[in-house]
Amino acid sequence: EMVLTQSPGTLSLSPGERATLSCRASQSVRSSYLAWYQQKPGQAPRLLLYGAFSRATGIPDRFSGSGSGTDFTLTISRLEPEDIALYYCQHYGSSWTFGQGTKVEIK
Amino acid sequence: EVQLVQSGAEVKKPGESLKISCKGSGYSFTSYWISWVRQMPGKGLEWMGKIDPSDSYTNYSPSFQGHVTISADRSISTAYLQWSSLKASDTAMYYCARSYSVNDPGDFWGQGTLITVSS
Repeated sequence: EMVLTQSPGTLSLSPGERATLSCRASQSVRSSYLAWYQQKPGQAPRLLLYGAFSRATGIPDRFSGSGSGTDFTLTISRLEPEDIALYYCQHYGSSWTFGQGTKVEIK
Repeated sequence: EVQLVQSGAEVKKPGESLKISCKGSGYSFTSYWISWVRQMPGKGLEWMGKIDPSDSYTNYSPSFQGHVTISADRSISTAYLQWSSLKASDTAMYYCARSYSVNDPGDFWGQGTLITVSS
């Protein structure tokens, strides 16, 4: 069973700073079937990235992804106030597994 | 415009049955799988299972197999999630999400249905 562990639990940054979120898988992720979602309070999750680094439709280029195997990273190059949210990584395939989430807040 | 519109919030008693819905529009409903995802209060996302509306083939998470039933009616572009006997621990927000194939992430999500189970 795949387990995804995200770190840190909470990230406190100032607007304009770079945010780096980590997702570690308990086993190698086949074909980079790794996605990232953003969830703002009271809203449904929104797909940000898939295939570890491909941006979904309409996602600003300040969001980028990297990694392979068991270690993946979501980077927000310059944090905007509207980026305050929970971020989840997901391993997808015939079944889905989510990480526990990282909360990004404004310092 | 792609839309996944879920049915409204429900308040139920333990032991009662319930069926919630997710209606797709703006795309070919039978060309995308529909997954259901649970989010308990203040908690993370849990995948429950998915269905191919073209033939109603389903795939459940072992954690939810036998506790819920996922179905679809392609004639009205609607997927369903149902319980035969609710428990207080079923209190949560439930989301549907579409994916292009069985091996794709959810590229579009419904707005969520809040289920409250309380005596």
